[in-house]
Amino acid sequence: DQQVKQNSPSLSVQEGRISILNCDYTNSMFDYFLWYKKYPAEGPTFLISISSIKDKNEDGRFTVFLNKSAKHLSLHIVPSQPGDSAVYFCAASGTTYGGSNYKLTFGKGTLLTVNP
Amino acid sequence: DTEVTQTPKHLVMGMTNKKSLKCEQHMGHRAMYWYKQKAKKPPELMFVYSYEKLSINESVPSRFSPECPNSSLLNLHLHALQPEDSALYLCASSQRRAGAFAADTQYFGPGTRLTVL
Repeated sequence: DQQVKQNSPSLSVQEGRISILNCDYTNSMFDYFLWYKKYPAEGPTFLISISSIKDKNEDGRFTVFLNKSAKHLSLHIVPSQPGDSAVYFCAASGTTYGGSNYKLTFGKGTLLTVNP
Repeated sequence: DTEVTQTPKHLVMGMTNKKSLKCEQHMGHRAMYWYKQKAKKPPELMFVYSYEKLSINESVPSRFSPECPNSSLLNLHLHALQPEDSALYLCASSQRRAGAFAADTQYFGPGTRLTVL
């Protein structure tokens, strides 16, 4: 059962335009969400996070939106740059006490290609 | 500084070898993690250490043996691995504030690319 879903395996965008990456989750116990960027043969790099008490978090060119009622989050990158080309993973965790709140549940990733 | 370092970067070993992967962080984080990642798949959690104690073992075969000598170091000892164990092994750390009710961002190292022949 896939609790975090990234339904678009790939996305192609022109440089300077907006990239929108989407993520859906099914587990209502998730209350902390993260986006990671990953280049081939490297570890994931933390980009931005959001807790369930917020609906938006912004950091430079990156903004994450959370719609709890729809169990949906999205990452907006504006403007997109060729160096943003990578696989983007959405991840979720719960903050209730217990072993499960250590665990990040990852989506399968979306390959973003930003064309010059 | 959010740096997690891992050595070696690449490792090739035979099925009868014994080797170790090392991970280090100096961010004062009290939780450290081992993940395994296969190509085109998300990372899979293997082990979690919290305050130097093993908190989670995700039913990992005993040929993988973790060790946390102190709060900054995490090792993964490998013995009698199989070719299907070839993967990118990632270490991560997070702050893990006392009380465990706080949200926790995990920071990943660059990984060790392991090939088992």
